[in-house]
Amino acid sequence: DAGITQSPRHKVTETGTPVTLRCHQTENHRYMYWYRQDPGHGLRLIHYSYGVKDTDKGEVSDGYSVSRSKTEDFLLTLESATSSQTSVYFCAISESGASGGVWHEQFFGPGTRLTVL
Amino acid sequence: DAKTTQPPSMDCAEGRAANLPCNHSTISGNEYVYWYRQIHSQGPQYIIHGLKNNETNEMASLIITEDRKSSTLILPHATLRDTAVYYCIVREAGANSKLTFGKGITLSVRP
Repeated sequence: DAGITQSPRHKVTETGTPVTLRCHQTENHRYMYWYRQDPGHGLRLIHYSYGVKDTDKGEVSDGYSVSRSKTEDFLLTLESATSSQTSVYFCAISESGASGGVWHEQFFGPGTRLTVL
Repeated sequence: DAKTTQPPSMDCAEGRAANLPCNHSTISGNEYVYWYRQIHSQGPQYIIHGLKNNETNEMASLIITEDRKSSTLILPHATLRDTAVYYCIVREAGANSKLTFGKGITLSVRP
């Protein structure tokens, strides 16, 4: 299994509080991603990173920010959590292929279950 | 917008082949077909991918039609541990291309 850990694995918080989720990898992969998964929606991309300090938005980025100061860590922050952000959050990593353009597979972490009351 | 269409569910008997269909009629020439699966409460797991040729690895086979408008993932000898949601995804080649997960197909393997 790819070396990806997420912390915390479970969190319960209250509306309006800030929350930071951490994704840590030991694979030295360039690309890192944050997804959320909700019933009826499958996985949806929140933000992704293509290198240290290089990030971009996904399809559901409103209310979320990210930071990547080191290759191995990708942080997802909810500045002011809302009940609609109750979800399971998955981190993923991938590396570019030898051609420089084609990606290999994405490897996913175990997930963080976040409940916002 | 979904680029792939999968039936919501199917089942098969343990030990038999599971054939999971996927339609991607609007696939473009530089898009790959990827399959991932997600076992309950775990993160998704990559299975296989292909461009136009059939592919096989230790987990599964991927059969892509000649016109590339549909594909089939084959699990040759399904086990109870293969019960999962299987996602068929099309994705462009390119450094900034992203995976877009739809709702997938729920495969139930019965004893």
